[in-house]
Amino acid sequence: AQSVAQPEDQVNVAEGNPLTVKCTYSVSGNPYLFWYVQYPNRGLQFLLKYITGDNLVKGSYGFEAEFNKSQTSFHLKKPSALVSDSALYFCALFRSSASKIIFGSGTRLSIRP
Amino acid sequence: DSGVTQTPKHLITATGQRVTLRCSPRSGDLSVYWYQQSLDQGLQFLIQYYNGEERAKGNILERFSAQQFPDLHSELNLSSLELGDSALYFCASSKGQDSYEQYFGPGTRLTVT
Repeated sequence: AQSVAQPEDQVNVAEGNPLTVKCTYSVSGNPYLFWYVQYPNRGLQFLLKYITGDNLVKGSYGFEAEFNKSQTSFHLKKPSALVSDSALYFCALFRSSASKIIFGSGTRLSIRP
Repeated sequence: DSGVTQTPKHLITATGQRVTLRCSPRSGDLSVYWYQQSLDQGLQFLIQYYNGEERAKGNILERFSAQQFPDLHSELNLSSLELGDSALYFCASSKGQDSYEQYFGPGTRLTVT
């Protein structure tokens, strides 16, 4: 079965420090992977995607993600966190056979000043 | 702003009632997707319409139904509402029928009392 997992409910980081939000996936075939961010009382915003090519994908707001096929992971990273990065982050997998996006459970990122 | 609009923003209703949520996709997008975000179930795909026809079905209850009209806007109908139906309902749109590039609306928050 195709699935995506986010093992951490919450990640706390000090402003200016690097951050990592973890995601692992399970899929048969090539994965289409995404990261979305949700700010309070807002819809989901697309951050970045991996379809094929370079394992390091750059996205919006200075975020990047590293695709690792051997570890079936797609961790979200940022070299220097901002307080404004505090939000709920979702890792997602596109299931082409059903034309739907499968979301992870979400990780709440909290950046302290 | 994704270009996807949803109305209303908030809806409060009683158990047993019926409500209709509305979504207008981005200009040029033919697919509309409905998702439910609740505390216990996370973010789940409900149903997809493409150019007026049902394309894919997810975890949508029999009490729920949707349709897409000739002008491509979509409505999600929720009936015999239960307390557990309280959630944030998102609509997303994309150009094609098997597209991973989905743009999300701001959501409708439904509270069932």
